[in-house]
Amino acid sequence: GQQLNQSPQSMFIQEGEDVSMNCTSSSIFNTWLWYKQDPGEGPVLLIALYKAGELTSNGRLTAQFGITRKDSFLNISASIPSDVGIYFCAGQLGTGANNLFFGTGTRLTVIP
Amino acid sequence: NAGVMQNPRHLVRRRGQEARLRCSPMKGHSHVYWYRQLPEEGLKFMVYLQKENIIDESGMPKERFSAEFPKEGPSILRIQQVVRGDSAAYFCASSFQGYTEAFFGQGTRLTVV
Repeated sequence: GQQLNQSPQSMFIQEGEDVSMNCTSSSIFNTWLWYKQDPGEGPVLLIALYKAGELTSNGRLTAQFGITRKDSFLNISASIPSDVGIYFCAGQLGTGANNLFFGTGTRLTVIP
Repeated sequence: NAGVMQNPRHLVRRRGQEARLRCSPMKGHSHVYWYRQLPEEGLKFMVYLQKENIIDESGMPKERFSAEFPKEGPSILRIQQVVRGDSAAYFCASSFQGYTEAFFGQGTRLTVV
């Protein structure tokens, strides 16, 4: 199956700091997505990227679709306590959630 | 408008028993997807169903696992003769069309003892 590597695996940051995490793959994807999973909950879509080179923002979140189509990064600016959770990247081949391949996740802890 | 509903939220089974996991999609959604998440790992696709049809089961283990999405009622993921390695969180997602955004439920955490 497709292998997506996320780094870092975990992060401990102070409230107010910026965060950066990335996702790389040996495969090309048509779409990159970033999800957040709170403890005991399902993943929630944060940002979707559809074109190589695309840079998209959603509030304090910014994500980019790498030029090679094999990587993506997510930045969170001015972190707040409710940013705590696990962030997953997902690459998509074609359309449909049956073609989603998830990364291993980055666990974010924000220290107030 | 309720989201994707999964039940039970937690399920404990002894080795060899059967586990039945239920998923009610969002209102108006007829496409359902099941994923499995092992501890400290990302979600892995298992099966994609549309009402009464299995569209893609490429991620389903060949034995002991089955899924259905009947004309009426929730989608069911059934695991027969559970083993310790089946312990995981099982997530269901639904979408309006096969190409539109899928929304995830809260998951069922299965523990096999």
